[in-house]
Amino acid sequence: DADVTQTPRNRITKTGKRIMLECSQTKGHDRMYWYRQDPGLGLRLIYYSFDVKDINKGEISDGYSVSRQAQAKFSLSLESAIPNQTALYFCAIQGVRNTGGAGDYGYTFGSGTRLTVV
Amino acid sequence: QKEVEQNSGPLSVPEGAIASLNCTYSDRVSQSFFWYRQYSGKSPELIMSIYSNGDKEDGRFTAQLNKASQYVSLLIRDSQPSDSATYLCAVRGRSGSARQLTFGSGTQLTVLP
Repeated sequence: DADVTQTPRNRITKTGKRIMLECSQTKGHDRMYWYRQDPGLGLRLIYYSFDVKDINKGEISDGYSVSRQAQAKFSLSLESAIPNQTALYFCAIQGVRNTGGAGDYGYTFGSGTRLTVV
Repeated sequence: QKEVEQNSGPLSVPEGAIASLNCTYSDRVSQSFFWYRQYSGKSPELIMSIYSNGDKEDGRFTAQLNKASQYVSLLIRDSQPSDSATYLCAVRGRSGSARQLTFGSGTQLTVLP
């Protein structure tokens, strides 16, 4: 199994519809992230979670919500999809050092979900 | 002002040459620096991390960090066509929301056979 699994891989939805993107991980890491990628804009952080009870907004959280159902699962929802939410969405996980400075590991990304809102 | 800036390219180098990718960042107290490689339609893959000034080498890759100049670079020696990809620079700050990775928009590299 992949370390990080995202479903669905591709999705086309209509404006105004609610849609959920799911992410699950097998590494047992506490830290999980949702990013979107648009051409020329790089990766932008939507939400992140350090554990089941700790969820934080990123730089572009408007129009999105998240749920951390368990340590291994972190879902992203678009309550009412709009065309400018058409993008490639990535979930990422991060391990943390047990000693010394925390958060020094890079992220491991899922394969991504290509979402098109028409 | 963008927090992490990269030349978007495209950068083209011949096979066997050295490819040099550059990144500047605005947060002077940034602590950790990463380079990711992303093939078209695929997810980013971590290839290098660097935390202190100087050079760090891993195979054909060398990361260089200069915190005084707020500059990090990636050198790819003996470039191969399989190195053709977009390279993302990512920076982690020291506190608050800045502790999350901020990504540049990427530099597209093409290695010509």
